[in-house]
Amino acid sequence: GQQLNQSPQSMFIQEGEDVSMNCTSSSIFNTWLWYKQDPGEGPVLLIALYKAGELTSNGRLTAQFGITRKDSFLNISASIPSDVGIYFCAGQGGSNYKLTFGKGTLLTVNP
Amino acid sequence: GAGVSQSPRYKVAKRGQDVALRCDPISGHVSLFWYQQALGQGPEFLTYFQNEAQLDKSGLPSDRFFAERPEGSVSTLKIQRTQQEDSAVYLCASSLAGRVQSSGNTIYFGEGSWLTVV
Repeated sequence: GQQLNQSPQSMFIQEGEDVSMNCTSSSIFNTWLWYKQDPGEGPVLLIALYKAGELTSNGRLTAQFGITRKDSFLNISASIPSDVGIYFCAGQGGSNYKLTFGKGTLLTVNP
Repeated sequence: GAGVSQSPRYKVAKRGQDVALRCDPISGHVSLFWYQQALGQGPEFLTYFQNEAQLDKSGLPSDRFFAERPEGSVSTLKIQRTQQEDSAVYLCASSLAGRVQSSGNTIYFGEGSWLTVV
């Protein structure tokens, strides 16, 4: 099935560093979502974006909905060890309720 | 419970065996979704229910896959004659009203059922 292009695939950083990851798509989405998945758990919603150009923050997380509606990025500032996990972007079309996910970015934070 | 509950959490099946995976959505949630997540991949849509009605089953990979939600609450995903390629995490998700993620309608995922076919 269709998946979004998410990069990077993995990141290994030091505690306190900032992190950036992004997603691109050949299709337009009306909603962009960012999830975090810990080992053995289901995805948990971090940030939802509903408007092109929208910039939204949730604590140390900031995400933007690209103006073309075909991309989004997620930034994490001042990373901490509990940020470790897999981050997924997901897009949702207008009346299409299906979520299309990226392949994920594996984040490792070295204390 | 407070969240979406799935059982079993882990299942090892011999090739050719039938399996049934159960999902208890959050109480009162109208919409229920099943997703399949292969190792190292993002989840992929399988099917969608609104109450007891299965409105979309376009993502089911073959006719060996069958899902039901007879009373509009608990759902079961059944896989007949399992194959090795069916090995994946099966995620159930639910939302209070409607199908689309919105500021008033968050889609919540369960922890998943991890299926390994040997």
